[in-house]
This record gives sequence, structure tokens and C-alpha cells, in this order.
Amino acid sequence: EPEVTQTPSHQVTQMGQEVILRCVPISNHLYFYWYRQILGQKVEFLVSFYNNEISEKSEIFDDQFSVERPDGSNFTLKIRSTKLEDSAMYFCASRGEGAYEQYFGPGTRLTVT
Amino acid sequence: QQPVQSPQAVILREGEDAVINCSSSKALYSVHWYRQKHGEAPVFLMILLKGGEQKGHEKISASFNEKKQQSSLYLTASQLSYSGTYFCGTNKAAGNKLTFGGGTRVLVKP
Repeated sequence: EPEVTQTPSHQVTQMGQEVILRCVPISNHLYFYWYRQILGQKVEFLVSFYNNEISEKSEIFDDQFSVERPDGSNFTLKIRSTKLEDSAMYFCASRGEGAYEQYFGPGTRLTVT
Repeated sequence: QQPVQSPQAVILREGEDAVINCSSSKALYSVHWYRQKHGEAPVFLMILLKGGEQKGHEKISASFNEKKQQSSLYLTASQLSYSGTYFCGTNKAAGNKLTFGGGTRVLVKP
């Protein structure tokens, strides 16, 4: 069964460093999302992406964040200068054309020290 | 505004039933239910579109009351594998971002 994959599974970085989280959505999906979940809290929407542009973003997704689809398979989330409060599990999700459900990847645990 | 889930936690014996509610103060297009086990990604269970449709996934079913803007998830004859945190995610239009509730922790004991 096709699934969303994410790398790395765990990333530790120092405050102020840049990180890039990678996702490979399900192959025929066209809609992509990033969510994050701070430990013990609910899942929060960050950004949605379609047709090579951002379709919606939350107030969390400020100028420090960016997304890109550098090739036909990867979808990346970049945090330019990480802060302690960026520590969270980051989930990528994808959705197919004409479908409603979003499928989540296994997540990347980001720890900012 | 995020949907409100209740109860926050429930403990069941294997074979017992439970209901989890998800309420919104705003008009919804759809309600998505996910189950998340500790340290894992949320797993999609089912989606309810406005229209009051009821869905099922094994012995887990859900309904959507459009008038009340409320969805209920029914765990019937619960199994140990049903343990986890159940989140409802809502959106106001097809494909839009999901806004998740605070979650309901379910523990099924033998």
C-alpha cells in the first residue's frame, strides 16, 4: 500500500541553525500539507501546497518557514533559523485529486537545543 | 477555532462500547477521524461529509449531525488495538486545512 515517507525520523539541531525536513508524498497525490505536534498537544496545521504554490498557511508559518517541491517526488519544509519552540513532531500529509482524506507520514521529530 | 472533543479520556474493558464527540461552533464541510498511537503518525479512520452520512471502519463507526455541527465516533465491542488517542479534524471546504481537536485518549484494558 502506498504511503507517505519522511526523513529524517529524528533531527537534533542547535538554536539558530537551518533545518530541512523531507517528505515523499504518495506518488499520484497533488495536494501536500505540513502539520506539527508539540509533545502532548494536538496536531496543528502549518501550510498546504498545490500546483507549486502555497494555497493556505497558518500564523505559525512565518518568514522563518518555507516549503518547496524541488523535484517530482520530494516536498520539503525548511526552517531558516530554528528556535527552541520549534521543537515538535512535524508531519507531512498528502491528498489525491478529487479525494478528501489526507494521509500522514510517520513524522520527523525535531529537537532544538 | 478548534473543535472541542469530549471526553478527554476514557478507559474501557475489552468488549465495551464508547462514544467520542467532536463539536464545532462553525459550519463544517467535513469531519475526519484519526487514531494516533504513542510516537506514531495519525492514522486516517474515516471522513464524514456534511449530509449526516454515517460511516464505518470495522467496529468503529461515526456520524455527523450537520444541524448541531457535531460528529460522534462509536467504538463498539472495543479491542485492545483500539487504544490510542483519537483526533477529529474539521474543515470548512473540501481539501482545506484540517483543524484538529484536543484529542481523546482511549485505553482498552483486557
